[in-house]
Amino acid sequence: LAKTTQPISMDSYEGQEVNITCSHNNIATNDYITWYQQFPSQGPRFIIQGYKTKVTNEVASLFIPADRKSSTLSLPRVSLSDTAVYYCLVGVISPFYNAGNMLTFGGGTRLMVKP
Amino acid sequence: DADVTQTPRNRITKTGKRIMLECSQTKGHDRMYWYRQDPGLGLQLIYYSFDVKDINKGEISDGYSVSRQAQAKFSLSLESAIPNQTALYFCATSDPDGAGGSEQFFGPGTRLTVL
Repeated sequence: LAKTTQPISMDSYEGQEVNITCSHNNIATNDYITWYQQFPSQGPRFIIQGYKTKVTNEVASLFIPADRKSSTLSLPRVSLSDTAVYYCLVGVISPFYNAGNMLTFGGGTRLMVKP
Repeated sequence: DADVTQTPRNRITKTGKRIMLECSQTKGHDRMYWYRQDPGLGLQLIYYSFDVKDINKGEISDGYSVSRQAQAKFSLSLESAIPNQTALYFCATSDPDGAGGSEQFFGPGTRLTVL
């Protein structure tokens, strides 16, 4: 299993850029890197996914170095509503691989955005 | 996500009772999952199903069973509920055609209390 390590918590202020780094030293060739956001008492929500280099969508960017042993989720200009727990997952869901890799959420990073 | 519904939303039961949590989805996805989340912790996978005939145990399947009645329905049963099964339970679905097949869509959760 590709184990991930994230900071337990982070604080930021409104309007700042937030970068959350996830370490995954034993990532496998077929593994993707996926980030989810979870608000209290709600199910996680998909933010972004990548395999290598950089991926950007309307809410975040994901930076993945060439060795893929880490990844950084970047949230531009955060607001109070971005206060949540962010999970980094590494793996792939497929009947041909160990599907459990993708389905381990870990403890996540608690992001607190202050006014 | 309104496309994934869970019933009941809240349930209080007693030790030793058998209970069933139900999940329905209108997304047309073949893959469905059951997770539990304890307070302040990440999600743990209980069971997952890649299609109606393919059901697999997750990290913490002991004390639980599932039934995939149709593509759209995946039920979780607690055979004999015990207090340490008190948790928030989430159902999720995913589409295997996505890259890494990894974007999961979560239901609103069922808060279960076992007295």
